[in-house]
Amino acid sequence: NAGVTQTPKFQVLKTGQSMTLQCAQDMNHNSMYWYRQDPGMGLRLIYYSASEGTTDKGEVPNGYNVSRLNKREFSLRLESAAPSQTSVYFCASSGSLYGYTFGSGTRLTVV
Amino acid sequence: DQQVKQNSPSLSVQEGRISILNCDYTNSMFDYFLWYKKYPAEGPTFLISISSIKDKNEDGRFTVFLNKSAKHLSLHIVPSQPGDSAVYFCAASGWTGGGADGLTFGKGTHLIIQP
Repeated sequence: NAGVTQTPKFQVLKTGQSMTLQCAQDMNHNSMYWYRQDPGMGLRLIYYSASEGTTDKGEVPNGYNVSRLNKREFSLRLESAAPSQTSVYFCASSGSLYGYTFGSGTRLTVV
Repeated sequence: DQQVKQNSPSLSVQEGRISILNCDYTNSMFDYFLWYKKYPAEGPTFLISISSIKDKNEDGRFTVFLNKSAKHLSLHIVPSQPGDSAVYFCAASGWTGGGADGLTFGKGTHLIIQP
């Protein structure tokens, strides 16, 4: 099915460990985004990529890095995980008047 | 400072009645507004949108109203059905379609449809 695929779906990390969240879309969208969702906080933009080869910081970029590997893939890296990064992470892509298509999310717990 | 506000964390409505979800924004540069619906353990899905050049947009049971002077929009669901129980996010953009610089989301309203 066409859409946005995120891996993994669940992850538990120890404080200080690193990991990369993967995201791929097959809709030929130019723009891709990473959001985090926390209770009572809604969805907050971490990083975005308006097109292949470009990335920019969003509202809450500290502690994260991103890579737009090609038009399809946009990864989010935590270099040294902290408990404050416990959250649900959503990747999205956009290419039309109808907003974003979201992935199903990655639930990350940092202990 | 929160630019998109959904002041009701939750709303309970009886099945068959009208559900009205509200959203306020502060940034006058926003010109495109969207509503997303989210079920537990799933990503948000697009529901309906409205451009700032309109004041109403309908799609089946869903209607979005925009009052630019008040910087307020609302989502009406008529009639409400059990499957409408979900979290609804209001979102805004300064560029039609979501913008290269991302949508700004409200905190969400949890709609509960009572049988």
